[in-house]
Amino acid sequence: AQSVTQPDIHITVSEGASLELRCNYSYGATPYLFWYVQSPGQGLQLLLKYFSGDTLVQGIKGFEAEFKRSQSSFNLRKPSVHWSDAAEYFCAVGATFGNEKLTFGTGTRLTIIP
Amino acid sequence: DVKVTQSSRYLVKRTGEKVFLECVQDMDHENMFWYRQDPGLGLRLIYFSYDVKMKEKGDIPEGYSVSREKKERFSLILESASTNQTSMYLCASSLQGFSFGELFFGEGSRLTVL
Repeated sequence: AQSVTQPDIHITVSEGASLELRCNYSYGATPYLFWYVQSPGQGLQLLLKYFSGDTLVQGIKGFEAEFKRSQSSFNLRKPSVHWSDAAEYFCAVGATFGNEKLTFGTGTRLTIIP
Repeated sequence: DVKVTQSSRYLVKRTGEKVFLECVQDMDHENMFWYRQDPGLGLRLIYFSYDVKMKEKGDIPEGYSVSREKKERFSLILESASTNQTSMYLCASSLQGFSFGELFFGEGSRLTVL
């Protein structure tokens, strides 16, 4: 079965600074990869997903993520964060074989300081 | 706009009470899911359903049951609530398969069991 690790529980960045949130996965082949965002008091919303092809994926709200097979990583990036980006971010991995469900990471909480 | 509605945002129940959490989606999605969200543990799948009257156990089904009598409605039932079931419960739906379909989430139901 697949697994996913988000090593950073909480990250604080200044508004306007760049952001990178880390995600590492474990799976025997190339998985399906996702980033979801949860704003305070809300459900989760899909930011972007990787299935195959171009390893740099563009998402909503100016986010992008890069799939690196050699590092088993799918890190989320944004060149300049806005106060509204303060939220919790979840990486998720899905198996490309069988009927496994999505597996979510434990989340990274992002705080933005003025 | 797609919509997953969880009828109760906040509930307070007593130990031993029977609890119903209701979820309705208006997207004609085949698949529906119940997750539990706890700090430091991320999202854990309780049950899912891929069709009316069909259900499958997720990773933590103990103490829970579900009902799906209509395509748009998926209910989570706590037969006898316990304090360790105090948590945030998230309902989600998807059109495509379990591991690669985009999940659409409700805003969550925060349950406190006293």
